[in-house]
Amino acid sequence: KAGVTQTPRYLIKTRGQQVTLSCSPISGHRSVSWYQQTPGQGLQFLFEYFSETQRNKGNFPGRFSGRQFSNSRSEMNVSTLELGDSALYLCASSLQTSNYNEQFFGPGTRLTVL
Amino acid sequence: AQSVTQLGSHVSVSEGALVLLRCNYSSSVPPYLFWYVQYPNQGLQLLLKYTTGATLVKGINGFEAEFKKSETSFHLTKPSAHMSDAAEYFCAVSKETSGSRLTFGEGTQLTVNP
Repeated sequence: KAGVTQTPRYLIKTRGQQVTLSCSPISGHRSVSWYQQTPGQGLQFLFEYFSETQRNKGNFPGRFSGRQFSNSRSEMNVSTLELGDSALYLCASSLQTSNYNEQFFGPGTRLTVL
Repeated sequence: AQSVTQLGSHVSVSEGALVLLRCNYSSSVPPYLFWYVQYPNQGLQLLLKYTTGATLVKGINGFEAEFKKSETSFHLTKPSAHMSDAAEYFCAVSKETSGSRLTFGEGTQLTVNP
């Protein structure tokens, strides 16, 4: 079974631009979560999507948004990029049963904002 | 609010020595607890998890952790370090059976010396 895939793996943007990152979950997984990883703030939860609906949201400004499609693939968008948005963005998917659901992480997209 | 504290941002051990990475959590409800490992330029891989049941949890690659509610700790151990164990390790907590909305510690960089 293929793992979680994220595209692109590396991205360079300039301040003020917007960016869209893509995540394809493991086949059959219905939940997709996004995390931001920076040296200063560590790993922080952005949001989770389940059945095309945002189910949980972290403490990030409205410039960060996401969506999920009917095939469970997810995109996250960051508008009006700031230098501080430079980070590794990780996507995780999970199956979603009635019991605890393990998160499987992708390799991440490294975003550099110049 | 829940939080995770990892004691020691850098730990260095000799090959064959005991590995002990410390994690304390703060949570108002019984949490789900996890240890993840991250190799350079890769995503996160789950080492082990505590959800319910036995408090001594065995994971992959010879790692184990013990959930101690009275001490609010979930320390990670491995009896004998291997060079391939060199990586960054993250302790995480979640209150949700969905497995999402993980709160991570700051991470511990493990160095294994020959």
